[in-house]
Amino acid sequence: GENVEQHPSTLSVQEGDSAVIKCTYSDSASNYFPWYKQELGKRPQLIIDIRSNVGEKKDQRIAVTLNKTAKHFSLHITETQPEDSAVYFCAASLPGNQFYFGTGTSLTVIP
Amino acid sequence: GAVVSQHPSWVICKSGTSVKIECRSLDFQATTMFWYRQFPKQSLMLMATSNEGSKATYEQGVEKDKFLINHASLTLSTLTVTSAHPEDSSFYICSARVVAGWADTQYFGPGTRLTVL
Repeated sequence: GENVEQHPSTLSVQEGDSAVIKCTYSDSASNYFPWYKQELGKRPQLIIDIRSNVGEKKDQRIAVTLNKTAKHFSLHITETQPEDSAVYFCAASLPGNQFYFGTGTSLTVIP
Repeated sequence: GAVVSQHPSWVICKSGTSVKIECRSLDFQATTMFWYRQFPKQSLMLMATSNEGSKATYEQGVEKDKFLINHASLTLSTLTVTSAHPEDSSFYICSARVVAGWADTQYFGPGTRLTVL
């Protein structure tokens, strides 16, 4: 099955700086890569996703890039704010299949 | 996005009792729902895939007789933890799969925190 690795496990940045979280996947057939943000004790919320037919997608301060050849994808958050502090999970999915989640990155934005 | 509810949000029970958790898709029909378990500071661990009108598919290592899943309608899936023990204490989260055109993603319920005494 698919194997998703996520780095780093923890990340601290100063407010206003950028944060980058990276994930790799093993199955080249995976074609959908969502990113979820989970605040303590709450549900994971979909923040951005990308499909294998595009290399980059941006939504305001959040962007995701995908390198299919290298089988890795990254989440970029610019101009970080304290409310960006949360745990972020990447996932990879084969067509019509379950999601395989990364181990999560705990992001802390220091005011 | 699509709304998924979960009930109860938290439950405390005695060891040996059974607990039922409901997962509902409020504004859409979900032929597939997923049940996850999450330990503190850890990722989501898929327990089973629940398909409406058929038996659930359990992941390796998950006891199907202990974690009973019923997906009786297109908007409701239930997870029953039978004969609960303290080691079953965890955060249980469901998600519903949404397929619309090119979109094929999951929306999560708010989770149920189970504490077994």
